[in-house]
Amino acid sequence: SQTIHQWPATLVQPVGSPLSLECTVEGTSNPNLYWYRQAAGRGLQLLFYSVGIGQISSEVPQNLSASRPQDRQFILSSKKLLLSDSGFYLCAWSRSTSGGNEQFFGPGTRLTVL
Amino acid sequence: AQSVAQPEDQVNVAEGNPLTVKCTYSVSGNPYLFWYVQYPNRGLQFLLKYITGDNLVKGSYGFEAEFNKSQTSFHLKKPSALVSDSALYFCAVRDGLGNTPLVFGKGTRLSVIA
Repeated sequence: SQTIHQWPATLVQPVGSPLSLECTVEGTSNPNLYWYRQAAGRGLQLLFYSVGIGQISSEVPQNLSASRPQDRQFILSSKKLLLSDSGFYLCAWSRSTSGGNEQFFGPGTRLTVL
Repeated sequence: AQSVAQPEDQVNVAEGNPLTVKCTYSVSGNPYLFWYVQYPNRGLQFLLKYITGDNLVKGSYGFEAEFNKSQTSFHLKKPSALVSDSALYFCAVRDGLGNTPLVFGKGTRLSVIA
């Protein structure tokens, strides 16, 4: 079976510090990968998605970046965090074969920027 | 462009009563429709999806959803609500024309009162 991991689970960082969140998927190959941010327990904002190694699509221009160094690894980064970067970050994956494939979400990372 | 509307921010229902969480969509092609549930500080869990075929789709935890093409709706239903159903519910759509990220609604918070 497939599993998706995110770490860390929680993170408190000062403004201006760097960020690295990691997401890995097990039990599948060539997944589509996604990063979302959720503010205040409400809607999801799609940040990045990737259909293959080194292929990143950015949905929202901001001080965040994403990388996919390996097939099942997706990293969200920032060089300098802003207060507005606080939120709940969710990674997800889906099979790439059909539009009818659901996305599976990880447990999330709660980021607080102080 | 694809879009999803969840017209209710909050739905309150008494335990044992039927519940409905509303969702309408807009796509240019054939829709793939999904429902997810999120408990506090957790990732989203997939409940059910509509791809094609029978308009009534059954999913996890006794939930079901009815696809209505003429009304472009995909409402989530359950015959008898439980207190444990209290959570945030998201509807999502993907245009059948391609394998792209799901587009999510803003979410509906369901409260089941004992």
